Amino acid sequence: GQSLEQPSEVTAVEGAIVQINCTYQTSGFYGLSWYQQHDGGAPTFLSYNALDGLEETGRFSSFLSRSDSYGYLLLQELQMKDSASYFCAVRDIPITGTASKLTFGTGTRLQVTL
Amino acid sequence: GAGVSQTPSNKVTEKGKYVELRCDPISGHTALYWYRQSLGQGPEFLIYFQGTGAADDSGLPNDRFFAVRPEGSVSTLKIQRTERGDSAVYLCASSLKGDQSSYNEQFFGPGTRLTVL
Repeated sequence: GQSLEQPSEVTAVEGAIVQINCTYQTSGFYGLSWYQQHDGGAPTFLSYNALDGLEETGRFSSFLSRSDSYGYLLLQELQMKDSASYFCAVRDIPITGTASKLTFGTGTRLQVTL
Repeated sequence: GAGVSQTPSNKVTEKGKYVELRCDPISGHTALYWYRQSLGQGPEFLIYFQGTGAADDSGLPNDRFFAVRPEGSVSTLKIQRTERGDSAVYLCASSLKGDQSSYNEQFFGPGTRLTVL
């Protein structure tokens, strides 16, 4: 089976940098994804790491260490609109093609304050 | 183009009733997924389709849950004899099927909020 751990809540001020950690224990691992979800909204894709290292996409970066079963999402220049829940998700080894299920963590609720 | 759509957005039913939830994926996406999300939790995998066939249904909690995708596009999640514990947001997602070297992100719909009284 799969299990993922994330902090339940994080608070940061506008303009700051925040890091959301994720550790996982899995029976099969193909990559780590990050999703953002505003209250009442759909999860939206932020980033994906299949290999060790840092992936940068604008204000958001994601890191993966496969040997440590650990990753993090880094949000820079925080804005009020970044207040949302953030989920890490392990991607299972695909059965066919590249489609495979995701196992999500319980999510980290980020509150950005003035 | 349009994103993933789900209908209805809200469904209230009584314990023991049958419900159907519909998902319309992004055009051209061959992979379709159903997840269930309870309050304060992450989405929980139920089933996924590659084309018309269920490639992985290991997340369906019991035989009251069933899903179909007869023409490889629209999918319907069917729940028989609903129970109060089935109350949750049911999310649908779709992704392209690509080659082994590429990653195809999952695009989620807005969900159907199911309430079983």
